Amino acid sequence: DAGVIQSPRHEVTEMGQEVTLRCKPISGHNSLFWYRQTMMRGLELLIYFNNNVPIDDSGMPEDRFSAKMPNASFSTLKIQPSEPRDSAVYFCASSFGQRNQPQHFGDGTRLSIL
Amino acid sequence: AQTVTQSQPEMSVQEAETVTLSCTYDTSESDYYLFWYKQPPSRQMILVIRQEAYKQQNATENRFSVNFQKAAKSFSLKISDSQLGDAAMYFCAYRSGPTGANSKLTFGKGITLSVRP
Repeated sequence: DAGVIQSPRHEVTEMGQEVTLRCKPISGHNSLFWYRQTMMRGLELLIYFNNNVPIDDSGMPEDRFSAKMPNASFSTLKIQPSEPRDSAVYFCASSFGQRNQPQHFGDGTRLSIL
Repeated sequence: AQTVTQSQPEMSVQEAETVTLSCTYDTSESDYYLFWYKQPPSRQMILVIRQEAYKQQNATENRFSVNFQKAAKSFSLKISDSQLGDAAMYFCAYRSGPTGANSKLTFGKGITLSVRP
């Protein structure tokens, strides 16, 4: 079975540019999570969706960040405009239904803002 | 809010030996789930083991086992017969269990485990 698929794997861009990260969850999973990993703050949740509906976006840093899930098989995380402090590894994870089911992570997108 | 603490930033173990990674957490909930994830240099996040708080029996997955002490809010990971491939960063994580939609994972800061040949 295909796991969670994220693209791109690496992204290098100049500050001020728009960045779009993409995620395809595991088929059948109904919850999707976006996490950010930095040396300083570790792994932190940005936002999560259940049945395509955003449930908790309290971790989204500021209005420059937005996330969408137009259907059960696709989600995007957008940063506009990007800043150097947004440089991090961004993970997408998905899980199914029951509370004890683990979250399966994608390979992450390493984002570097110059 | 729940917090997860991994106080040891680094640990080292001799190949074939046993090592224990510590994790404590703070919560007022009685129903929750605990996880250990492994992140090798490839940066994948790989589930190692999970524990339901309502279960008294400690979870075991091959060479990996946990010591879950609910009253002490402690959740340590024991790796037996350590292998070179166990070298990675290990994260302890907490997830609320009450009814409702799947909820977020709260992670500790992680511990870097090195394995000496």
